[in-house]
Amino acid sequence: KNEVEQSPQNLTAQEGEFITINCSYSVGISALHWLQQHPGGGIVSLFMLSSGKKKHGRLIATINIQEKHSSLHITASHPRDSAVYICAADRAAGNKLTFGGGTRVLVKP
Amino acid sequence: NAGVMQNPRHLVRRRGQEARLRCSPMKGHSHVYWYRQLPEEGLKFMVYLQKENIIDESGMPKERFSAEFPKEGPSILRIQQVVRGDSAAYFCASSPGLAGGLEQFFGPGTRLTVL
Repeated sequence: KNEVEQSPQNLTAQEGEFITINCSYSVGISALHWLQQHPGGGIVSLFMLSSGKKKHGRLIATINIQEKHSSLHITASHPRDSAVYICAADRAAGNKLTFGGGTRVLVKP
Repeated sequence: NAGVMQNPRHLVRRRGQEARLRCSPMKGHSHVYWYRQLPEEGLKFMVYLQKENIIDESGMPKERFSAEFPKEGPSILRIQQVVRGDSAAYFCASSPGLAGGLEQFFGPGTRLTVL
C-alpha cells in the first residue's frame, strides 16, 4: 500500500461544477502539500497545510490530522483548471516529499 | 525575484553518454531537492542537499547517479552511462530551510530523452 493515496485518479467535470480531490496518508507528517502540474509539465505549489483549512481564490484545501486525510476543492471550475493535482506528505522539517499518484482533472466547457 | 531555474529544459543523450542537469535555487534558498517523474508515473524523491552536503540520498539509484550542491554555483544531478530507462522528467525544488519554512518551490524540470 502506498504511503500517500489519492482519489479519484481521473475526474471529468463540466465548467462551473464543484470538484473534490481526496488524499489519505498513512505516515506522520509535519505538513501536507497540494501541487498542480499542467499539461506542459511545470509544477506549482498550491498549498502547504499542517492543520485546518486554507483558501486561495477558488481553491480550498482542508486537512484532518486525526483521520490523516486532506481534500482539495475547486469551486466554480473552469477549463483552465484542467491539470494533474498531486498531494505530497512532508514527513519532517526540511525532509523529502512523498507523493500521491495524482488526480487528472479535465474541466469541459 | 527569479524562481527556481533548471537547465537545460530538454536534453537528448545516446545510451552510454553522460547527462548533467543543473538547478539554480531561488535566491536565499539553501536547500535543494531532486525528484524524478518517469513516463506515466508519479514523482519520486531522489536526493536532498544543502550547500556542500548531501543530507538524504535514499532515493538515488546506487550506480551511475550522483548529485552535488557546491558552495558556489548550481546544484548538479549527474547521470553517467545513461540507459533508456533514465528517460524521465527531472525536477528540482528549493526551500529556504528550517528557519524559513517547509514550502518547496519547483523548477520547470529537465526532460531527458535517452535514444
